[in-house]
This record gives sequence, C-alpha cells and structure tokens, in this order.
Amino acid sequence: DTGVSQNPRHKITKRGQNVTFRCDPISEHNRLYWYRQTLGQGPEFLTYFQNEAQLEKSRLLSDRFSAERPKGSFSTLEIQRTEQGDSAMYLCASSLGERQYFGPGTRLTVT
Amino acid sequence: KNEVEQSPQNLTAQEGEFITINCSYSVGISALHWLQQHPGGGIVSLFMLSSGKKKHGRLIATINIQEKHSSLHITASHPRDSAVYICAVRSGETSGSRLTFGEGTQLTVNP
Repeated sequence: DTGVSQNPRHKITKRGQNVTFRCDPISEHNRLYWYRQTLGQGPEFLTYFQNEAQLEKSRLLSDRFSAERPKGSFSTLEIQRTEQGDSAMYLCASSLGERQYFGPGTRLTVT
Repeated sequence: KNEVEQSPQNLTAQEGEFITINCSYSVGISALHWLQQHPGGGIVSLFMLSSGKKKHGRLIATINIQEKHSSLHITASHPRDSAVYICAVRSGETSGSRLTFGEGTQLTVNP
C-alpha cells in the first residue's frame, strides 16, 4: 500500500508527557498537512509544509506543538506537556496538486 | 458563525432514497471539496469543484459560486453509503493552501 501512513495509530499518555507522531506521505507528494479532529467535529487545520518548508501555521498550534519535515519526506508532530484538551484524532494528508490524500490518523488520549 | 456550515448534521434514510447534503460558506473560495469519512477516521476525497456540477457513479456534486452554496446528492442510497460527509473549502490562491472544513453530516442508510 503506497498511501499516507501514520504511526502510531493510537496513543494513550498521561497529562504532562510529551508525544510525537509520524506521518509518511505518498512518496512524490511535495505538500504535507496536519489536521486535528475532535469527536463530532470536522478537521481543523494545524500546519502545512511544501517540501521541507513550513509555510503556514494555525493559531491553534500553540507553543507546545512543533512540526518538522526535515528532508521533505516524512513529518513529525510533537506535543509537549500534553493536556487533556489535546485528546483528538491527528490527521496527516499529502498532495501534489489540489486533491489531498489522508492518512488513517493517530488517536491521542490524554488521561 | 463558522466559515463553512453543513446541513443537516444528521440524516437517516431508507435504502433507495435520494439524499441531499448542503454546504454553505461565507468566504471567497478557489475550490470546494466533498469528503467521506468512515468510522475509524479514514477520509476519502469524493469531489473537487470550482464551478458547475460533477458526477461519479451515484454521487453528484453541484456548486453555485454566486450563492456560496454546494450540494452533494446520492441517488439510490445504499447502507454502504453510511458515513460522515464533510464539505471543505480552499480560499487561498494556490492549490496547496489549507482547507477549512464543515462539521460534517452523519448519514445513516437503513436497509
């Protein structure tokens, strides 16, 4: 399967801990997006990269959140000092043109 | 008020019924997407529209730019159509710009 993959699929962590998620986009896609989705809501934009450059960040992305795409391929999203409000599905998508291809998401539960 | 609003939030239909899901947006857009999300999180792009109408199998999507409104129609609905349908808009000029999502419409089709 050469779609977008995300790891881990599920993460349970205690409040205050740091977590890191990984996204592997479709190999030729130059754009990579991170979204967050809470139960019953549509996804919300967090940030996006074109190649290794982070071109836009949402104001939702507080100082505790950082994303990287060091070689323009895979990307990581780190959340420091997690809070219960961070519990959500974190979705990654990649694109070459207009259409975005979504990964299965990482479900984060902060206890 | 959200930039993208969908109606209805929930829709239950009997197999075979014609279904319409509506999306209204308040910003100028470059493109509108209809997406399908199944339980577990996976999101699939159904349509991208900037004008007019598109058809794929039993699915039809229309957009009226002047009225800032789009509809997704499903003809001869089937239980496998049960999913969350999400409308998303791109307001940036470049095809890589972020998407802004509606809250989704939960569709249940009963046999």
